[in-house]
Formats: sequence, structure tokens, C-alpha cells
Amino acid sequence: GQQVMQIPQYQHVQEGEDFTTYCNSSTTLSNIQWYKQRPGGHPVFLIQLVKSGEVKKQKRLTFQFGEAKKNSSLHITATQTTDVGTYFCAGPGGKLIFGQGTELSVKP
Amino acid sequence: GAVVSQHPSWVICKSGTSVKIECRSLDFQATTMFWYRQFPKQSLMLMATSNEGSKATYEQGVEKDKFLINHASLTLSTLTVTSAHPEDSSFYICSAPPLERGGDTQYFGPGTRLTVL
Repeated sequence: GQQVMQIPQYQHVQEGEDFTTYCNSSTTLSNIQWYKQRPGGHPVFLIQLVKSGEVKKQKRLTFQFGEAKKNSSLHITATQTTDVGTYFCAGPGGKLIFGQGTELSVKP
Repeated sequence: GAVVSQHPSWVICKSGTSVKIECRSLDFQATTMFWYRQFPKQSLMLMATSNEGSKATYEQGVEKDKFLINHASLTLSTLTVTSAHPEDSSFYICSAPPLERGGDTQYFGPGTRLTVL
């Protein structure tokens, strides 16, 4: 079945450093979604990418969808302590298949 | 908008008992709701798709007789963990895509943390 792989599993950064997590699918995706889960919380929808090569920005977050629609990335510029949490990619559609997630910790 | 609630938020029960978890869409309707399970430090694993007015569809490896799902209305789905055992202890999360908005965006409930003693 479809698999969504995400790396790295953990990332520890100093506040102010950049952070990137990568997501790869075994099959072409009609769309991909990104979620953030704070410790002890539930996943919160961040964004959905649909088009090949699409790039979307949300303040310090930049999301990219690959040309082949099989990979995606989330890049955070100048991390802050509020960015702490686990970032999941998931795709596609209603029956979401989640990647393993990347747990981000930020040292002040 | 697009708020999903879950009740209870946490529950502790004895082994062998059954636990019912409710998932409600508060300000939208959903013909479909999804139930996930998340173990500590792991990703969300889809357990089943709850369909209003029809039977739920279960993912491979999920026992339908153990995890009973009922989608009673367009705003309520329930998951009952029957004869719970310690290995069923987990974080159970539901999600729902708003019917009227179309698309694939889902909104997640706050989750229910189940501990089976």
C-alpha cells in the first residue's frame, strides 16, 4: 500500500537556526497536507499543497511540493521556541496516511 | 469554525471493561469521520473510517469486533473499545472533513487518552 516516509525523525536546533523536514511518498499524490502537533496536543492543519512544484509560505514557514508530486518539504526560517512540536506530512485526501513525523526541539 | 470535540479527554479503566469515546463536529456536518490511534513518540495510524448511515470500514489489522464504531448522525461518531486490555492504552484521535467545504482538509479532535490498568 501507499507509504509516506518522513525524515529526519528528530531535529534539535538552537533558536534562530533553520529547520527542514522532508516527506517522500511511494506513489504520486493528488495533494499533500502538513500538520503540527504540540506535545500532548492533537494535530493542527497547517497547509495543503495540490499543484506540481507548488511553493507556499506562511510567515517563517515555507512548504514545497515536488514536481513529480511524490515529495514535499517544510522549511522553517529562524526557529523560535514556539515552533517546538512534531511536524507531520500526510496524504492524500480523506483517508490520510501520515508520515512518521519530525520532532523539533528548539534550544533557547 | 470547524471545531471537533472528543469526550472524554482521558479515561482510566480496568482490564476487561469497555470504553466509549465520542467524536462530535460542533459547527459542521460530516458524513465521514476518521479514527486514529497514536502510541507515544509514534505517528498517527488510521484505524477506521466512520460512515454516517452505514458500516465503518476498518484498516487492515484492526479488529472490528473489538473497536466498534457507530456514526449515528452527521455530527457524531463513537468508538467503543470492547474488553479493553493494557495494550489498548493509547491516544485516540478522531478527525472529520467538513461536508460543506469540500476538499480534503480535516479537522482533528483534541484526542482521548486511554489507560487500561
